[in-house]
Amino acid sequence: GAGVSQSPRYKVAKRGQDVALRCDPISGHVSLFWYQQALGQGPEFLTYFQNEAQLDKSGLPSDRFFAERPEGSVSTLKIQRTQQEDSAVYLCASSLRTAYGYTFGSGTRLTVV
Amino acid sequence: RKEVEQDPGPFNVPEGATVAFNCTYSNSASQSFFWYRQDCRKEPKLLMSVYSSGNEDGRFTAQLNRASQYISLLIRDSKLSDSATYLCAANYGGSQGNLIFGKGTKLSVKP
Repeated sequence: GAGVSQSPRYKVAKRGQDVALRCDPISGHVSLFWYQQALGQGPEFLTYFQNEAQLDKSGLPSDRFFAERPEGSVSTLKIQRTQQEDSAVYLCASSLRTAYGYTFGSGTRLTVV
Repeated sequence: RKEVEQDPGPFNVPEGATVAFNCTYSNSASQSFFWYRQDCRKEPKLLMSVYSSGNEDGRFTAQLNRASQYISLLIRDSKLSDSATYLCAANYGGSQGNLIFGKGTKLSVKP
């Protein structure tokens, strides 16, 4: 596609509920990144894929967070048993190469109530 | 220690002013550097890459100082539409890997 597509755009979850956030990167971009952005903060790295391989998941805040990209294209970030502190914007980005910078999607705004 | 640090601002400047932002990074192995612009409730958008030799795009100039491990962004002749948060980013080690972002510097250009 022309840009990085994320869905849903907004998600309200009750505490304890599981959520799944989807990212469809730019066609041909082998690298895909997930970031979490809290209000007034910069994006914080969560995890990174090159094709289907998850090369770095050091930013995932707990074992409740899980990401996958099984066919090297669409990726899903899953958060189990959501907590209020998970409320944030979740940004997905894709890139041909790091040296070219990233293109971000519009993000999913998650609110846990 | 935060990998990438920026002055959060806000920088309040009149139209036509020149404004400069600095950003420091802690990982000496970083090789790729960028400035992003983020409007309120929008995603970050790539403004420009930062090269060792410095680079210019219209009213915007970016520079890299490897010895002191900082990058800078200069905006000349500020426009109202330049009001946004400016994020700097450096890749985490080597030529690959993820970008680490600063918290952003907020710029407000007033008439």
